[in-house]
Amino acid sequence: AAGVIQSPRHLIKEKRETATLKCYPIPRHDTVYWYQQGPGQDPQFLISFYEKMQSDKGSIPDRFSAQQFSDYHSELNMSSLELGDSALYFCASSDRTGDTQETQYFGPGTRLLVL
Amino acid sequence: GDSVTQMEGPVTLSEEAFLTINCTYTATGYPSLFWYVQYPGEGLQLLLKATKADDKGSNKGFEATYRKETTSFHLEKGSVQVSDSAVYFCALSPISQGGSEKLVFGKGTKLTVNP
Repeated sequence: AAGVIQSPRHLIKEKRETATLKCYPIPRHDTVYWYQQGPGQDPQFLISFYEKMQSDKGSIPDRFSAQQFSDYHSELNMSSLELGDSALYFCASSDRTGDTQETQYFGPGTRLLVL
Repeated sequence: GDSVTQMEGPVTLSEEAFLTINCTYTATGYPSLFWYVQYPGEGLQLLLKATKADDKGSNKGFEATYRKETTSFHLEKGSVQVSDSAVYFCALSPISQGGSEKLVFGKGTKLTVNP
């Protein structure tokens, strides 16, 4: 079965640079979520989109922005990167109209290292 | 707000031992409950879920029962294997009419199984 695809899998950036993370949800899933997991931490919700509109917002810094496109893929844009942004970034998707609407399926994550 | 409290780790067991990882939650309404597993260097995989009181989720020999009266969703396995070594996250989703909302995770419990 198709899974959530994230790219790139690994990313190394310098402080104050920008980064763009991409997420391709499971086909026919209409909702995308972004989470940040620091080293040894639990995942923290950043932002979500349903049918290309922002549906919920968590602890996402103002330096970060995200959107969902017409093909349902999503991008997380991170500017003025700081050392503390080094983390594993997960994308998850769900189908709000399906039988498993309560379940989020996670991608493998993008590991971002800021030097 | 909604929260999940998980048994502190790390947990170290011998192969074929019995596993219990405690999880309790605080939430308004009737959330869906999940266990996710994260193997070293990998993303989050859904292990099992329960969407209403008294439901039992099960997968790969793991089980958890949604106990509304004790607000708990403890993970159990009768006989662990070395391959079960991973970090286990308990999570809840405060379901709204629109479908899945963000997941709220516990801190995670690291399990190591020795041969």
